[in-house]
Amino acid sequence: DIVMTQSPLSLSVTPGQPASFSCKSSQSLLHSSGKTFLYWYLQKPGQPPQLLIYEVSNRFSGVPDRFSGSGSGTDFTLKISRVEAEDVGVYYCMQSIQLPLTFGGGTKVEIK
Amino acid sequence: QVQLVESGGGLVKPGGSLRLSCAASGFTFSDYYMGWIRQAPGKGLEWVSYTITSGSAIYYSDSVKGRFTISRDNAKNSLYLQMDSLRVEDTAVYYCARMTTYESSNYYYFDYWGQGTLVTVSS
Repeated sequence: DIVMTQSPLSLSVTPGQPASFSCKSSQSLLHSSGKTFLYWYLQKPGQPPQLLIYEVSNRFSGVPDRFSGSGSGTDFTLKISRVEAEDVGVYYCMQSIQLPLTFGGGTKVEIK
Repeated sequence: QVQLVESGGGLVKPGGSLRLSCAASGFTFSDYYMGWIRQAPGKGLEWVSYTITSGSAIYYSDSVKGRFTISRDNAKNSLYLQMDSLRVEDTAVYYCARMTTYESSNYYYFDYWGQGTLVTVSS
């Protein structure tokens, strides 16, 4: 199984400041097609997860442009350029290049 | 808009069975792969199972293989999860989710999720 490791476990951020989270996979998520199957989700308190980013860097419909994803191979980053109060929750990465589909343990974001 | 509504959760004893349902609306259900993901209380996300559009191919995590059965009824826009031989460790919120692919890559991910239904396995 591909193990997804996220860091940090938690983050406290001042509104308006940037934030960055890491996700590392135990195997490369790069396919021979050139595509990389890494996704980011945000689970706000009391809500189901919502898709933020697909295939490393593509923002899902309606996701603000303050969210950006980057990375390659086994090393990925989600950045928020200016954190807002509504961004609190747990951020998960997920891979889909191989079954079983696996998620990282999550990074919890709180607002200072 | 896409809506996924799970039902069927509840309290069941170890070894018991439960059938979850997911009613889909706002999209052409038969055009999409569908899956189940669970989240134990206070824990992270764990993929459980998914099925392709026709239901003719299905995939399970090792933790539920042989005990859970996923199915779908495209005429009723519904997804199901039959859970047998339930264990305490199956206690979780179970989410139904639509799956999609980008540029027909054949590698799928979850784009819309339901609110979830809680399954509690306890004596």
